[in-house]
Amino acid sequence: GDSVTQMEGPVTLSEEACLTINCTYTATGYPSLFWYVQYPGEGLQLLLKATKADDKGSNKGFEATYRKETTSFHLEKGSVQVSDSAVYFCALTSSNTGKLIFGQGTTLQVKP
Amino acid sequence: NAGVTQTPKFQVLKTGQSMTLQCAQDMNHNSMYWYRQDPGMGLRLIYYSASEGTTDKGEVPNGYNVSRLNKREFSLRLESAAPSQTSVYFCASSEASGGRTDTQYFGPGTRLTVL
Repeated sequence: GDSVTQMEGPVTLSEEACLTINCTYTATGYPSLFWYVQYPGEGLQLLLKATKADDKGSNKGFEATYRKETTSFHLEKGSVQVSDSAVYFCALTSSNTGKLIFGQGTTLQVKP
Repeated sequence: NAGVTQTPKFQVLKTGQSMTLQCAQDMNHNSMYWYRQDPGMGLRLIYYSASEGTTDKGEVPNGYNVSRLNKREFSLRLESAAPSQTSVYFCASSEASGGRTDTQYFGPGTRLTVL
């Protein structure tokens, strides 16, 4: 079945460092791809999404490009802030079922 | 516009007790979902409702029941709680009925501990 694999965390960075969180997927058909973020004590909120190959999603300085040839959707940010500390989830919507399938989440901690 | 709301925020139960988690959305969304979040496992779908009056099982439905009371409300019931149901529960909603590009909107979660 469809699945999402994320790099294991936690990831600890200093403020203004570059961030990459790897995400790869296995899916039949043409899934949509998402990054959700969960700040401490809160629910998940959509960070960005891409619905077809080569689409780039972007929001709040974060970017991710839908790479069908490598089945990847890596999250990047050029300069992280302390306020970016959160858990990041990569997810896909199965084109067969329409259901959202999540990776296990990657914790990011940014130190001043 | 409150989005998706959940009650309660925290709950402690003893094994065998029952309880209902409540969820409501004010975005006029058709689809609603219940997930559980466990460490290292991401979120897993328990049940969903593609539209008012319909419900379907997700990945981990055993031990749970749901009710889509109306378009706004979707409740999750534990009839006889077990320690394995200790988790954080999230409700979510989306506009369309399982659309491939839909964004799901999440509530703040209910942290449940079963002793």
